[in-house]
Formats: sequence, C-alpha cells, structure tokens
Amino acid sequence: DIQMTQSPSSLSASVGERVIITCRASQTVTTHLNWFQQKPGKAPKLLIYATSSLVVGVPSRFSGSGSATDFTLTITSLQPEDFATYYCQQTYTTLRTFGQGTKVDMK
Amino acid sequence: EVQLVESGGALVQPGGSLRLSCAASGITFSLYNMNWVRQAPGKGLEWVSYISDSSSTIYYADSVKGRFTISRDNAKDSLYLQMNSLRDEDTAIYYCARDMIQVLITGLKHHNAMDLWGQGTTVTVSS
Repeated sequence: DIQMTQSPSSLSASVGERVIITCRASQTVTTHLNWFQQKPGKAPKLLIYATSSLVVGVPSRFSGSGSATDFTLTITSLQPEDFATYYCQQTYTTLRTFGQGTKVDMK
Repeated sequence: EVQLVESGGALVQPGGSLRLSCAASGITFSLYNMNWVRQAPGKGLEWVSYISDSSSTIYYADSVKGRFTISRDNAKDSLYLQMNSLRDEDTAIYYCARDMIQVLITGLKHHNAMDLWGQGTTVTVSS
C-alpha cells in the first residue's frame, strides 16, 4: 500500500498568514492527489483534485501543486473559516489512502 | 436538494453484523462511482470501499476485506455496506461519498475524487 505522510501534523497560524502543508507519498502517485478540509463534527469537503484543480466554489486562496511523491497545499491568506484539519489522499492505486491530517489552529 | 444520507449505525457487540445504507437524492445516482470512508473517534480518515456505477468493479481496504461487502441498488438510489465479524477497531463514523463527474463538451469525465459526502452514521462495536 502507498503510505501518505503529511507535515506538519499541526500548526498555529494567524489570520492573513500564508500556510503551506506538505504531503509525501511512499511511491509515485503521479498527479492523483486530492486535498480535503474537515471541520469538527462535519464531513470532509473536497478542495482540490488531481493535484492542482480547484473545486468550483472553493476560494482561490487555496492552491495545490506537486507531482510524483511530493505535494503541497497552500493557503495564501488564512481566513477565520480556514481553521480546520486538512487531509491529502492518493487515488493512484485502487487502495486509496489518506494522510494522517494537519490541524490548523489559531495562534 | 443534492444530498447523501446514511443510516443504520448502531451499538453492536464484537462479532456481530450491521448493514449501513446511504440514500441519494437530487443526483442521477446510477452515473456515479461510490465509496465508504470511516473515521474512528479522534482519528483521521480511512477509505473503506469503492463500487463502480454499474457494480462491475469493487475494492476494499485490507482492514475490512473478507468481512465487509459493498453493494448498490441504482433503482432505489441507494448504497449499502454489509459489515460482518465486527471488531472493536471498526468503531467509527461511516460516511458515504460519491466520486466526482465533470461534464465536458465531449461527454462525462469521471474523477477519483470524493466531492459529495453524507453526514455520517456512527457504528460502535463494544461488549
């Protein structure tokens, strides 16, 4: 199975800050990499698919990049509604796997 | 309204069985590939199973293979997860989620990305 490792596991940031979350795969997933946001008590929400494609309705401050084994999710100017946990997920293999999550909280 | 609604979660003893359902509304259910994803208390997300639109292709996570069975009834706009031989570690919120379809001029493009989720149903395995 492909293992997905996110870093950091948690971070504290202020409104307006730029936030970068990284996701590393144990082997190549080409560009089959998605990002989700989850708030407490809620279902996950798809933000970005296929590494860099923004879901309709997701603010443009979110962006994704990378390929093969190394990927990043960037939030250019953190907003109050962005405090949440973020997960990457590979869909290159039939056994889709998530990263362990990165919790973004308020500094 | 476009939504997925799970049901069937309950408290069950180890070794027991449970059947989860996911009812779709507001979408053409038969077009979509579907998934089950779970989240143990205080933990991250774990993909559980996938079924294609026509049920021709099915995959399971190693942790549930041989114990869980995914199925669907397109006539009833419903997805199911039959869970047997339940263990303590199966305790989780179970979400159903559809894979995204992009409408292009050339036709429909399927993406392996879960763009619509239900609210989840809670399964607790405990004696």
